[in-house]
Amino acid sequence: KQEVTQIPAALSVPEGENLVLNCSFTDSAIYNLQWFRQDPGKGLTSLLLIQSSQREQTSGRLNASLDKSSGRSTLYIAASQPGDSATYLCAVNGNNRLAFGKGNQVVVIP
Amino acid sequence: NAGVTQTPKFQVLKTGQSMTLQCAQDMNHEYMSWYRQDPGMGLRLIHYSVGAGITDQGEVPNGYNVSRSTTEDFPLRLLSAAPSQTSVYFCASRQQGADGYTFGSGTRLTVV
Repeated sequence: KQEVTQIPAALSVPEGENLVLNCSFTDSAIYNLQWFRQDPGKGLTSLLLIQSSQREQTSGRLNASLDKSSGRSTLYIAASQPGDSATYLCAVNGNNRLAFGKGNQVVVIP
Repeated sequence: NAGVTQTPKFQVLKTGQSMTLQCAQDMNHEYMSWYRQDPGMGLRLIHYSVGAGITDQGEVPNGYNVSRSTTEDFPLRLLSAAPSQTSVYFCASRQQGADGYTFGSGTRLTVV
């Protein structure tokens, strides 16, 4: 069974700092890995999708890396803003199942 | 495109009642799935379908039924609701195995 762990569970950073969110998984036989954002009481918004053959993916201030052999992914958010405050979820896609971590709860302090 | 549409958004049930959570997608996705999200537990897979007429169990299937008669729709049925089924339910879909998932906005269910 795929186990996904996200560290840290919660963090607060001052506005302007770079955010680094970590995700680890136990089974490297994956199709891809997807990072989502979830605001309180809302649904999941897809941020980045990294295929198993890729090393990284970028969108604006967001960059996600993937090291499949070591079972790790990192989401970088550059120059954080208060609007980045949310929970970030890492999800690993394999064998018709999406396995989620419990999330990184982020607060960006103005 | 509407994407993945879930109805209702909120529901309160009494223990023992039945209901169906609706999920529809207009992207012609073959794969659809249901997740529940509980505090401290993360999102867990209930049931999934790889195409019309094909369904399979996920991690927490007990107490839930599904069917897939069309590509567009994947309803989740609670036959006899229990307080342990109080949760937020999300439906998701994707096209092919290596595609990303699109999620609906969720149904918040309370069983009293």
